[in-house]
Amino acid sequence: GAVVSQHPSWVICKSGTSVKIECRSLDFQATTMFWYRQFPKQSLMLMATSNEGSKATYEQGVEKDKFLINHASLTLSTLTVTSAHPEDSSFYICSARSYTGTSGDEQFFGPGTRLTVL
Amino acid sequence: SQKIEQNSEALNIQEGKTATLTCNYTNYSPAYLQWYRQDPGRGPVFLLLIRENEKEKRKERLKVTFDTTLKQSLFHITASQPADSATYLCALGRGGGNKLTFGTGTQLKVEL
Repeated sequence: GAVVSQHPSWVICKSGTSVKIECRSLDFQATTMFWYRQFPKQSLMLMATSNEGSKATYEQGVEKDKFLINHASLTLSTLTVTSAHPEDSSFYICSARSYTGTSGDEQFFGPGTRLTVL
Repeated sequence: SQKIEQNSEALNIQEGKTATLTCNYTNYSPAYLQWYRQDPGRGPVFLLLIRENEKEKRKERLKVTFDTTLKQSLFHITASQPADSATYLCALGRGGGNKLTFGTGTQLKVEL
């Protein structure tokens, strides 16, 4: 099956600093990648959709200047949390889809990145 | 607004029994529905996808049904094992690779 990796798996940072999270599709080309955020005991909330080579589409209520998304290649998307604050502490998960999949509708998820802002 | 509901309470069942999880939705016309498994501190793992024109899908011990009239999907795990203990998420999507909308998840615990 398709494999998606994330790096780092966990990160602790000071308030006011920026953190970059990488999402890679290891064995397929991902034309579209999605970024989710999940708070404890809650479901996944979509933050943004990114297509390779174009600007990301953000969901309502997600600050695009705070959560910078770059999808520079078909195998890599990055999420940068700028000027992080304690309320940004969460579990960030990316997913990827490929038109070469069996249906193109399945999303393959990364293992997630636990961000803790002190 | 769109709403996807799953059993909010944890489901505890005995090993060997069949676990049945429900996913109900309102104000949504999905083209397909997906079920995922999520373990603590991990990303979701894709299990099954069922389309709006399909009634049932099976994969090994897993079975999914999809009733677009009732706006409901049932997810069954037969001969359940302690290793099946996890949170199960349903997600709805429209065709063309559009975004998924996730339910809140149901925690399943299979006891010996």
